[in-house]
Amino acid sequence: DSGVTQTPKHLITATGQRVTLRCSPRSGDLSVYWYQQSLDQGLQFLIQYYNGEERAKGNILERFSAQQFPDLHSELNLSSLELGDSALYFCASSLIQGAAGELFFGEGSRLTVL
Amino acid sequence: AQSVTQLDSQVPVFEEAPVELRCNYSSSVSVYLFWYVQYPNQGLQLLLKYLSGSTLVESINGFEAEFNKSQTSFHLRKPSVHISDTAEYFCAVSGSNAGGTSYGKLTFGQGTILTVHP
Repeated sequence: DSGVTQTPKHLITATGQRVTLRCSPRSGDLSVYWYQQSLDQGLQFLIQYYNGEERAKGNILERFSAQQFPDLHSELNLSSLELGDSALYFCASSLIQGAAGELFFGEGSRLTVL
Repeated sequence: AQSVTQLDSQVPVFEEAPVELRCNYSSSVSVYLFWYVQYPNQGLQLLLKYLSGSTLVESINGFEAEFNKSQTSFHLRKPSVHISDTAEYFCAVSGSNAGGTSYGKLTFGQGTILTVHP
């Protein structure tokens, strides 16, 4: 158990819909990262927050948005869903924001768009 | 920009045989290198990492990796694998941009599925 909690574990929805994925980081961790894992793209970095502020942005679509709340949990919002958004979405956390910090991953939220 | 190439998408081996999972990276700045492992239906877990110092790093379960700057490689090896080592292995890189600060973002390779047969 990494200490990172993601909900829901599985989600099935239709094209055009909007979903919210939630992540609770390990106790004490200030950084939260979101990754998308798909068969064709592999693991793609989406976005990082540190203590409530956006710190780095990767291949995140404009239809996607995220935020980190004062209690440090984070949400990833996916809207106008397309079939290609079907993937496993991972949240990870770390204590520090530096490059040397180990990331602790949750078990992921599997999104299926029909 | 940084990138990681894992040269083998699948590696099948027999139990107790040695294995090497290959990883090459590309970066214009100093890097930190990582191997993560993903067991079925689980998230990724850190296996080992190279930050500085000795170029040979080891994990608690017998894996080792060697940082080779001239060849820009960070291959993962184990002299004798077990059935329980069956998993997907990801090589990852992070580093500081020139004049800037890295915030810990990891760039992952495509993964190598290691399957250990009895």
